[in-house]
Amino acid sequence: GQNIDQPTEMTATEGAIVQINCTYQTSGFNGLFWYQQHAGEAPTFLSYNVLDGLEEKGRFSSFLSRSKGYSYLLLKELQMKDSASYLCAVLDSNYQLIWGAGTKLIIKP
Amino acid sequence: ETGVTQTPRHLVMGMTNKKSLKCEQHLGHNAMYWYKQSAKKPLELMFVYSLEERVENNSVPSRFSPECPNSSHLFLHLHTLQPEDSALYLCASSQGSRDRATDTQYFGPGTRLTVL
Repeated sequence: GQNIDQPTEMTATEGAIVQINCTYQTSGFNGLFWYQQHAGEAPTFLSYNVLDGLEEKGRFSSFLSRSKGYSYLLLKELQMKDSASYLCAVLDSNYQLIWGAGTKLIIKP
Repeated sequence: ETGVTQTPRHLVMGMTNKKSLKCEQHLGHNAMYWYKQSAKKPLELMFVYSLEERVENNSVPSRFSPECPNSSHLFLHLHTLQPEDSALYLCASSQGSRDRATDTQYFGPGTRLTVL
């Protein structure tokens, strides 16, 4: 079966750095997405990786290793507004999006 | 604001009621989606429409009935639901481009449904 694993919950301190991991086992791979979802709000697109390596977008970076079936989302200079759930999703060989259950990130002052 | 709106934001209904969820996108997209999001579970794709035609139906019970009258509007008609259907129902849209690998989905805020 297809599976996306990410931690259920993480806690970090304002101003610090946090890394949210995602591992996947899917039938084929056509890219990996990260979305951010604040409580009671819509998931919003953060990043898309299809090639190995690190993609940086301001305070957020996303890394992919296809050989290891692994990605991470790196958040720097954490702000209170970064408290949210972070969803990892993989596009499989049929271009179906397979979703993880999300990681709830709690930022403490 | 993502350009995708959903109404109502909250809905409480009994098992014998009939209700409808509405989604509207203002992005000029050609594809629309219904998802179910339950606590601590992955998003479950329910229906996909491309250019108003249903292209995927992931074995959803018939008590959920989608309708897509045009590329900007999507409905989910509900009848005789069960308590386990209580969840957040999310609508999304995308360009529906041929390059599906970069066909990013934009989500609405969802309807929080409670079935009593």
